[in-house]
Amino acid sequence: DIQMTQSPSSLSASVGDRVTITCRASQGINNNLAWYQQNPGKAPKSLVYGASNLQSGVPSRFSGSGSGTDYTLTISSLQPEDSATYYCQQYKSYPVTFGQGTRLEIK
Amino acid sequence: EVQLVESGGGLVQPGGSLRLSCAASGFTFSDHYMDWVRQAPGKGLEWVGRTRNKANSYTTEYAASVKGRFTISRDDSKNSLFLQINSLKTEDTALYYCARVATIGTYHLDYWGQGTLVIVSS
Repeated sequence: DIQMTQSPSSLSASVGDRVTITCRASQGINNNLAWYQQNPGKAPKSLVYGASNLQSGVPSRFSGSGSGTDYTLTISSLQPEDSATYYCQQYKSYPVTFGQGTRLEIK
Repeated sequence: EVQLVESGGGLVQPGGSLRLSCAASGFTFSDHYMDWVRQAPGKGLEWVGRTRNKANSYTTEYAASVKGRFTISRDDSKNSLFLQINSLKTEDTALYYCARVATIGTYHLDYWGQGTLVIVSS
């Protein structure tokens, strides 16, 4: 199985900050990587797929990058509504696996 | 508008069974692979399994933790996805989401339902 490791597990940042969350796969996943946002009590929402493609309707302050085993989700200018937990997911091979999540708090 | 609505969750004793359903609307259900993902209370997301579409013979994939106990099926005529859960264990307690696999070639989950809660307890 491909293990997905996110860092940090949690972070706190201020409105307007640039925030980066990283995800490392235990083996190469050839950009078969998605990012999801989950607000408390809500279903996850797709943000990025194919490592760098923004899901329709997602604000342009979100972006994804990376290759091989290392990927990042960047929020260019943090907004209050971005307070949530973020998950990466690999879909290169079965079983599909998620990272453990990164909880983002607004200071 | 794409909608996925899960139902069928509840309180069940260890060793029991449940059948979860997911009603889909707003898209051509038969074209898409569909997944189940679960989330234990206060924990992260865990992929449960997938059913492919008719063109791919409705074949399925499962996580090792549920293989042999869980069965995913679908009824394209009713735009419905199902998860049969047998031999339930306390560690199966979770919110169960159905999710649409985007398109063949990307395989990310572009739409999710709100989930149905399964509690396994004596």
